Order: sequence, then structure tokens, then C-alpha cells
Amino acid sequence: NAGVTQTPKFQVLKTGQSMTLQCTQDMNHNYMYWYRQDPGMGLKLIYYSVGAGITDKGEVPNGYNVSRSTTEDFPLRLELAAPSQTSVYFCASSTPTGRRTEAFFGQGTRLTVV
Amino acid sequence: GQQLNQSPQSMFIQEGEDVSMNCTSSSIFNTWLWYKQDPGEGPVLLIALYKAGELTSNGRLTAQFGITRKDSFLNISASIPSDVGIYFCAGQLQGAQKLVFGQGTRLTINP
Repeated sequence: NAGVTQTPKFQVLKTGQSMTLQCTQDMNHNYMYWYRQDPGMGLKLIYYSVGAGITDKGEVPNGYNVSRSTTEDFPLRLELAAPSQTSVYFCASSTPTGRRTEAFFGQGTRLTVV
Repeated sequence: GQQLNQSPQSMFIQEGEDVSMNCTSSSIFNTWLWYKQDPGEGPVLLIALYKAGELTSNGRLTAQFGITRKDSFLNISASIPSDVGIYFCAGQLQGAQKLVFGQGTRLTINP
């Protein structure tokens, strides 16, 4: 069972470049999340989705876009990368089965913007 | 947005010591989760709690869902070097859909 898979694991971008961070889950979870984690810091929610076709902003959405066309995939788009977006990005998924909500994380994408 | 106050932010202990950390909020939660993040890895779920007062163990780890539903506690007994990492609490607010995460407790162990 693969769980939550993120690609790429590492990426270096030049300022102004664009890229998409991929996230896919095979657990048929409704909820998916994107977080960023700056060095020595906690997790900040960028965007989340409660199901295909539904997305909403988190704490730090500026500079990012998301889409959720399928249950499995939740890509994160950086349109004009900036050095301030250098961080580790984590995708997670969860499903509220009855009252039980447990989130599972991918291994992360380490992004450097130079 | 809703904040979880996780404390302490960091701990420096000797191997073999017990560890306690907690998360508190002014709001009521339906679910409390505790995660551990090893260096260079994603957070991994340790313990999930679903009822007020619930006490659950996972090896040397024990977590409790506070009676008021506004807090949760994680204890680690007889710490060992592999316990090093960042511990996060997370909660699902009553009536809400997404999870809220604490800022993490960074645990360092001196051998």
C-alpha cells in the first residue's frame, strides 16, 4: 500500500520559474492537504480539499494554486517561484470515517528557489 | 485561524528520562492526534484519540484526550536515542473538517 506519494523529492528552481508539486494517494481519502515547513518550524497549511472539485485556502495560500480533479490527486502549483518559497512541502490525506479522522503524510518535497 | 498551543517548544533531556508534552486550545476538539517527525522525513502518526478522557498507549508512549476536550497530553517513558525528533499534536475541531496542527516539540536526547 503506497499511501501518499509526492514527487519530486528534491527540486531547485530559479526565481520566476513555475512548477507543479505532485501528490497522489491510493487510500480513497476525501480530504487532502498541502503544508509547508520552514527550517526548525512547524507545519503551515497552504491549501486543503474536502473532495474532488472542492478546494479552500489555508493559512499561507499566496503564491500557490491547487486543483482537485480526482479523488487521488492534489497538485500544488507555484506560478512565479520566489526565494521565500524555499521550504519543505508535505502533502497529507485523511478521511473522516464516522468520527475517526487520521491524516497520513507523504515524504515531502524539498524545494530551493535561487 | 484556530491555534493549538503546544508546549514545550523544545526539550533537552538525558537518555532514560521520561518526557511530557501537551497541546491546549480554547476550543473543543473531536479528535486528537500525535505525530512524530524524524529528520528529513514526513510526520508519522503515533496515537489517535477520539473520546474525552481516553488514554491510549503505543509502546513507551501514552497519550490522553483531556476531559474538557480542549487539551491532550503525550508522555514518553524511559527515553532512548531514537525518540529524537519533532512531535506534533493535531486536532479536529468540533463541527470542522480540516485538521489543525500544533507548532511541534523538538526533542533532543543527550546520551
